[in-house]
Amino acid sequence: DVKVTQSSRYLVKRTGEKVFLECVQDMDHENMFWYRQDPGLGLRLIYFSYDVKMKEKGDIPEGYSVSREKKERFSLILESASTNQTSMYLCASSLWAPSSGNTIYFGEGSWLTVV
Amino acid sequence: AQSVAQPEDQVNVAEGNPLTVKCTYSVSGNPYLFWYVQYPNRGLQFLLKYITGDNLVKGSYGFEAEFNKSQTSFHLKKPSALVSDSALYFCAVRDGGATNKLIFGTGTLLAVQP
Repeated sequence: DVKVTQSSRYLVKRTGEKVFLECVQDMDHENMFWYRQDPGLGLRLIYFSYDVKMKEKGDIPEGYSVSREKKERFSLILESASTNQTSMYLCASSLWAPSSGNTIYFGEGSWLTVV
Repeated sequence: AQSVAQPEDQVNVAEGNPLTVKCTYSVSGNPYLFWYVQYPNRGLQFLLKYITGDNLVKGSYGFEAEFNKSQTSFHLKKPSALVSDSALYFCAVRDGGATNKLIFGTGTLLAVQP
Protein backbone atom coordinates (compact mmCIF):
# COMPACT_ATOMS: atom_id res chain seq x y z
CA ASP A 1 0.00 0.00 0.00
CA VAL A 2 1.06 3.52 -0.69
CA LYS A 3 1.88 5.43 2.42
CA VAL A 4 2.05 9.21 2.64
CA THR A 5 3.08 10.31 6.09
CA GLN A 6 2.62 13.77 7.52
CA SER A 7 4.69 13.95 10.64
CA SER A 8 2.58 16.48 12.54
CA ARG A 9 -1.17 15.97 12.87
CA TYR A 10 -1.95 18.93 15.09
CA LEU A 11 0.07 22.11 15.49
CA VAL A 12 -0.52 25.41 17.24
CA LYS A 13 1.79 28.25 16.24
CA ARG A 14 2.01 31.93 16.95
CA THR A 15 1.57 34.70 14.40
CA GLY A 16 4.89 35.47 12.74
CA GLU A 17 6.48 32.10 13.45
CA LYS A 18 8.14 30.11 10.70
CA VAL A 19 6.33 26.80 10.31
CA PHE A 20 7.50 23.60 8.63
CA LEU A 21 5.10 20.86 7.57
CA GLU A 22 6.84 17.66 6.57
CA CYS A 23 5.62 14.94 4.25
CA VAL A 24 7.23 11.64 3.28
CA GLN A 25 6.04 9.05 0.76
CA ASP A 26 7.36 5.52 0.42
CA MET A 27 6.40 4.63 -3.18
CA ASP A 28 9.11 6.39 -5.18
CA HIS A 29 6.53 8.77 -6.65
CA GLU A 30 7.76 11.61 -8.82
CA ASN A 31 4.89 13.98 -8.11
CA MET A 32 4.15 15.46 -4.72
CA PHE A 33 1.55 18.04 -3.78
CA TRP A 34 0.45 20.31 -0.96
CA TYR A 35 -3.23 21.17 -0.74
CA ARG A 36 -5.11 23.29 1.73
CA GLN A 37 -8.64 22.36 2.78
CA ASP A 38 -11.16 24.89 4.08
CA PRO A 39 -14.91 24.44 4.65
CA GLY A 40 -16.94 25.41 1.60
CA LEU A 41 -13.85 25.82 -0.55
CA GLY A 42 -12.82 22.22 -1.02
CA LEU A 43 -9.16 21.54 -1.63
CA ARG A 44 -6.93 24.16 -3.19
CA LEU A 45 -3.46 23.46 -4.53
CA ILE A 46 -0.65 25.42 -2.91
CA TYR A 47 2.44 23.96 -4.60
CA PHE A 48 3.47 20.83 -6.37
CA SER A 49 6.73 19.19 -7.33
CA TYR A 50 7.38 16.83 -10.22
CA ASP A 51 10.98 16.02 -9.39
CA VAL A 52 13.69 16.67 -6.84
CA LYS A 53 14.39 20.39 -6.55
CA MET A 54 11.61 21.13 -9.05
CA LYS A 55 8.48 22.98 -7.95
CA GLU A 56 5.61 24.88 -9.42
CA LYS A 57 3.09 27.22 -7.90
CA GLY A 58 -0.46 26.08 -7.53
CA ASP A 59 -3.53 28.23 -7.13
CA ILE A 60 -2.74 29.83 -3.76
CA PRO A 61 1.05 29.99 -3.26
CA GLU A 62 1.18 33.36 -1.51
CA GLY A 63 2.68 33.13 1.95
CA TYR A 64 4.07 29.63 1.34
CA SER A 65 7.23 28.06 0.00
CA VAL A 66 8.30 24.46 -0.48
CA SER A 67 11.40 22.34 -0.47
CA ARG A 68 12.13 19.03 -2.15
CA GLU A 69 15.71 17.98 -1.56
CA LYS A 70 14.98 14.24 -1.72
CA LYS A 71 12.49 12.39 -3.84
CA GLU A 72 10.53 11.00 -0.92
CA ARG A 73 10.21 14.22 1.08
CA PHE A 74 8.26 17.38 0.35
CA SER A 75 8.13 20.19 2.90
CA LEU A 76 5.72 23.09 3.10
CA ILE A 77 7.04 26.25 4.74
CA LEU A 78 5.04 29.13 6.10
CA GLU A 79 7.62 31.91 6.23
CA SER A 80 5.65 34.04 8.69
CA ALA A 81 2.47 32.37 9.88
CA SER A 82 -0.72 34.40 9.92
CA THR A 83 -4.13 33.64 11.36
CA ASN A 84 -5.64 33.27 7.88
CA GLN A 85 -3.36 30.28 7.36
CA THR A 86 -5.21 28.35 10.03
CA SER A 87 -6.38 25.33 8.06
CA MET A 88 -6.04 21.64 7.29
CA TYR A 89 -3.02 20.90 5.09
CA LEU A 90 -2.93 17.77 2.99
CA CYS A 91 0.11 16.28 1.33
CA ALA A 92 -0.25 13.91 -1.61
CA SER A 93 1.85 11.98 -4.11
CA SER A 94 1.50 10.17 -7.42
CA LEU A 95 3.48 8.60 -10.21
CA TRP A 96 4.34 10.85 -13.11
CA ALA A 97 2.68 9.61 -16.28
CA PRO A 98 0.91 12.31 -18.24
CA SER A 99 -0.91 9.93 -20.53
CA SER A 100 -2.72 8.10 -17.77
CA GLY A 101 -4.77 9.12 -14.80
CA ASN A 102 -2.50 8.00 -12.04
CA THR A 103 -4.14 7.95 -8.65
CA ILE A 104 -3.08 10.62 -6.19
CA TYR A 105 -2.63 9.33 -2.65
CA PHE A 106 -3.11 11.55 0.37
CA GLY A 107 -1.67 11.73 3.84
CA GLU A 108 -3.78 12.03 6.98
CA GLY A 109 -3.53 15.80 7.08
CA SER A 110 -2.02 18.39 9.39
CA TRP A 111 -4.30 20.66 11.35
CA LEU A 112 -2.56 24.00 11.82
CA THR A 113 -3.90 26.67 14.14
CA VAL A 114 -2.20 30.07 14.13
CA VAL A 115 -2.95 32.21 17.16
CA ALA B 1 -9.96 25.52 -17.59
CA GLN B 2 -10.90 22.23 -16.03
CA SER B 3 -13.47 22.30 -13.24
CA VAL B 4 -15.91 20.15 -11.32
CA ALA B 5 -19.08 21.09 -9.50
CA GLN B 6 -20.83 19.32 -6.67
CA PRO B 7 -24.24 20.96 -6.54
CA GLU B 8 -25.29 19.56 -3.15
CA ASP B 9 -23.58 20.56 0.08
CA GLN B 10 -25.31 17.73 1.90
CA VAL B 11 -27.18 14.57 1.00
CA ASN B 12 -29.36 12.77 3.52
CA VAL B 13 -30.39 9.16 3.03
CA ALA B 14 -31.81 6.41 5.20
CA GLU B 15 -29.75 3.31 5.82
CA GLY B 16 -30.53 0.61 3.27
CA ASN B 17 -31.69 3.08 0.62
CA PRO B 18 -29.72 3.79 -2.54
CA LEU B 19 -27.57 6.90 -2.52
CA THR B 20 -26.36 9.27 -5.21
CA VAL B 21 -23.79 12.05 -4.83
CA LYS B 22 -23.73 14.32 -7.86
CA CYS B 23 -20.78 15.69 -9.79
CA THR B 24 -20.60 17.56 -13.08
CA TYR B 25 -17.44 18.47 -14.90
CA SER B 26 -16.08 20.85 -17.49
CA VAL B 27 -12.93 19.83 -19.35
CA SER B 28 -11.21 20.30 -22.64
CA GLY B 29 -10.22 16.95 -24.05
CA ASN B 30 -10.78 13.60 -22.41
CA PRO B 31 -11.72 13.76 -18.75
CA TYR B 32 -9.94 11.84 -16.02
CA LEU B 33 -12.37 11.84 -13.09
CA PHE B 34 -11.95 10.73 -9.50
CA TRP B 35 -13.94 10.28 -6.31
CA TYR B 36 -12.43 10.51 -2.85
CA VAL B 37 -13.93 10.09 0.61
CA GLN B 38 -12.88 11.84 3.80
CA TYR B 39 -13.85 10.61 7.25
CA PRO B 40 -13.73 13.08 10.16
CA ASN B 41 -10.23 14.34 10.96
CA ARG B 42 -8.68 12.08 8.33
CA GLY B 43 -7.06 12.51 4.95
CA LEU B 44 -8.68 11.69 1.62
CA GLN B 45 -9.10 8.09 0.58
CA PHE B 46 -9.32 7.12 -3.08
CA LEU B 47 -12.63 5.46 -4.06
CA LEU B 48 -12.58 5.12 -7.83
CA LYS B 49 -11.63 6.77 -11.10
CA TYR B 50 -12.70 6.97 -14.72
CA ILE B 51 -9.98 7.10 -17.33
CA THR B 52 -11.49 5.39 -20.35
CA GLY B 53 -13.62 2.38 -21.23
CA ASP B 54 -16.78 1.23 -19.47
CA ASN B 55 -18.96 4.10 -18.33
CA LEU B 56 -19.80 2.31 -15.07
CA VAL B 57 -16.81 2.27 -12.78
CA LYS B 58 -16.70 0.12 -9.66
CA GLY B 59 -14.68 1.15 -6.65
CA SER B 60 -14.02 0.54 -3.00
CA TYR B 61 -16.63 -0.16 -0.28
CA GLY B 62 -19.35 -1.04 -2.80
CA PHE B 63 -19.38 2.37 -4.49
CA GLU B 64 -19.69 2.86 -8.21
CA ALA B 65 -19.87 5.87 -10.50
CA GLU B 66 -21.44 6.42 -13.86
CA PHE B 67 -19.67 8.51 -16.47
CA ASN B 68 -22.12 10.32 -18.76
CA LYS B 69 -20.41 12.25 -21.52
CA SER B 70 -23.54 13.89 -22.93
CA GLN B 71 -24.53 15.24 -19.51
CA THR B 72 -20.91 15.85 -18.43
CA SER B 73 -21.64 14.08 -15.18
CA PHE B 74 -19.87 11.56 -12.98
CA HIS B 75 -22.31 10.72 -10.17
CA LEU B 76 -21.29 8.47 -7.29
CA LYS B 77 -23.74 5.74 -6.36
CA LYS B 78 -24.28 2.90 -3.95
CA PRO B 79 -27.25 0.50 -4.02
CA SER B 80 -27.67 0.30 -0.24
CA ALA B 81 -26.30 2.95 2.12
CA LEU B 82 -24.66 2.18 5.45
CA VAL B 83 -24.38 4.47 8.46
CA SER B 84 -20.62 4.02 8.16
CA ASP B 85 -20.76 5.65 4.70
CA SER B 86 -21.42 8.99 6.40
CA ALA B 87 -18.50 11.18 5.36
CA LEU B 88 -17.42 14.01 3.09
CA TYR B 89 -17.13 13.09 -0.59
CA PHE B 90 -15.03 14.91 -3.16
CA CYS B 91 -15.19 14.72 -6.91
CA ALA B 92 -12.03 15.71 -8.80
CA VAL B 93 -10.79 16.10 -12.35
CA ARG B 94 -7.22 15.84 -13.54
CA ASP B 95 -5.87 19.12 -14.77
CA GLY B 96 -4.46 19.26 -18.26
CA GLY B 97 -0.77 19.33 -18.96
CA ALA B 98 2.17 17.16 -18.06
CA THR B 99 1.60 16.99 -14.34
CA ASN B 100 -0.99 14.95 -12.52
CA LYS B 101 -2.57 17.56 -10.29
CA LEU B 102 -6.25 17.36 -9.44
CA ILE B 103 -8.90 20.04 -9.28
CA PHE B 104 -11.46 19.32 -6.59
CA GLY B 105 -15.09 20.14 -6.08
CA THR B 106 -16.23 21.72 -2.84
CA GLY B 107 -17.37 18.43 -1.36
CA THR B 108 -20.70 16.85 -0.42
CA LEU B 109 -21.45 15.72 3.10
CA LEU B 110 -23.30 12.42 3.09
CA ALA B 111 -25.39 11.71 6.18
CA VAL B 112 -26.89 8.24 6.46
CA GLN B 113 -29.56 7.93 9.12
CA PRO B 114 -30.12 4.61 10.90
